[in-house]
Amino acid sequence: QSALTQPASVSGSPGQSITISCTGVSSDVGGYNYVSWYQQHPGKAPKLMIYDVSHRASGVSNRFSGSKSGNTASLTISGLQAEDEADYYCSSHTTSFFLEEFGGGTRLTVL
Amino acid sequence: EVQLVESGGGLVKPGGSLRLSCAASGFTFSDSWMSWVRQTPGKGLEWVCRIKNEPDGGTRDCAAPVKGRFTISRDDSKSTLYLQMNSLKTEDTAVYYCTTTGGSWGQGTLVTVSS
Repeated sequence: QSALTQPASVSGSPGQSITISCTGVSSDVGGYNYVSWYQQHPGKAPKLMIYDVSHRASGVSNRFSGSKSGNTASLTISGLQAEDEADYYCSSHTTSFFLEEFGGGTRLTVL
Repeated sequence: EVQLVESGGGLVKPGGSLRLSCAASGFTFSDSWMSWVRQTPGKGLEWVCRIKNEPDGGTRDCAAPVKGRFTISRDDSKSTLYLQMNSLKTEDTAVYYCTTTGGSWGQGTLVTVSS
């Protein structure tokens, strides 16, 4: 069981927007502005999309955006494209014995 | 372009040892904090160990499940990160990734612990 909670799956049609949530507690998501989001295609390594809650990594489309409210961070993808179909993971700095925690991942399906 | 190339994975029996390597290029390795993260189908992504750069003290930290069994180290002259894994358990079976704090990941190396 992962420390950060994400929905197992989300789906949307091309052109639509979707949001993936990542819920933690005050000792991780809620306590630090160090939330990251990764995209992972099958058989590939994770790719950093968002860091420090809302900053896009180099080369990442502005269709991807991040935010945080309290203990929940969110990744929004607008103008869905077929290539966005992948697994998405959030991560956060934490004060626990894991310096960084990950969510369980969300499978995005583009219908 | 940042490149991280892991090697050293393989099949090992429970109780055995392996040393993973990660050859880095395309950035100033000696300035970077580096980590190992593993991924299993059942438990997803899990942070394993981190090592700071020498100017920041070279501090090493590892997650509780591997503390005392795994050791992270670096050779800045070779731009290489290492993970020495001893007393391996079946639950250590995973793909191990080398990562930078800047968010770059290697392609991963598979470690299988099985009798």
